[in-house]
Amino acid sequence: QSALTQPASVSGSPGQSITISCTGTSSDVGTYNLVSWYHQRPGKAPKLMIYDVSKRPSGVSNRFSASKSGNTASLTISGLQAEDEADYFCCAYARPGTLLFGGGTKLTVL
Amino acid sequence: EVQLVESGEGLVQPGGSLRLSCAASGFTFSDYSMHWVRQAPGKGLDFVSAISANGGSTYYADSVKGRFTISRDNSRNTLYLQMGSLRVEDMAVYYCARGIASFWGFDSWGQGTLVTVSS
Repeated sequence: QSALTQPASVSGSPGQSITISCTGTSSDVGTYNLVSWYHQRPGKAPKLMIYDVSKRPSGVSNRFSASKSGNTASLTISGLQAEDEADYFCCAYARPGTLLFGGGTKLTVL
Repeated sequence: EVQLVESGEGLVQPGGSLRLSCAASGFTFSDYSMHWVRQAPGKGLDFVSAISANGGSTYYADSVKGRFTISRDNSRNTLYLQMGSLRVEDMAVYYCARGIASFWGFDSWGQGTLVTVSS
């Protein structure tokens, strides 16, 4: 299976909103509501931001939201803050029993 | 507090073997699926393997199937990854991660351990 497709980079100014897309196929994103999003700062382990398409773990700011339409999942960050600057990875279940990751999106807060 | 601590970091020649361990604490280990995810230097994340809470089900990425074996010892709160026939392309930081309720996702990660494959 191929990796999920994410834009290499996105940027925004503090207070703005940005959206990161994650495109898969009907064999993964399009069929299963098992999409998760992670952010990762340099030299650190990833951190779960969203799971099961749109659920937010406790402790994650409600500025982070996500959805799915067809074969594309999206992560939206509203009210951008400097601390949001990181790499963001999407992840989706793909039959039979594996997970695919996107290549990652570098978010720059201008 | 959930803690996952990987160990087993090392340098191995192509074709060699290595075993990684992940010691878990701060939660009931036997209630959760566990996973291994790796990240080559400067690259993205790759799923490696997963194991169900009771160890009865295991899953592998195609790239490691037949070469790697995931296992767990719930009495020792420890996850393992036995890696064999290692290739240069297996060189990466290996993270252990706790599975979410729906299994396919990770809500806690270790700090990672580096596996270097080089002659």
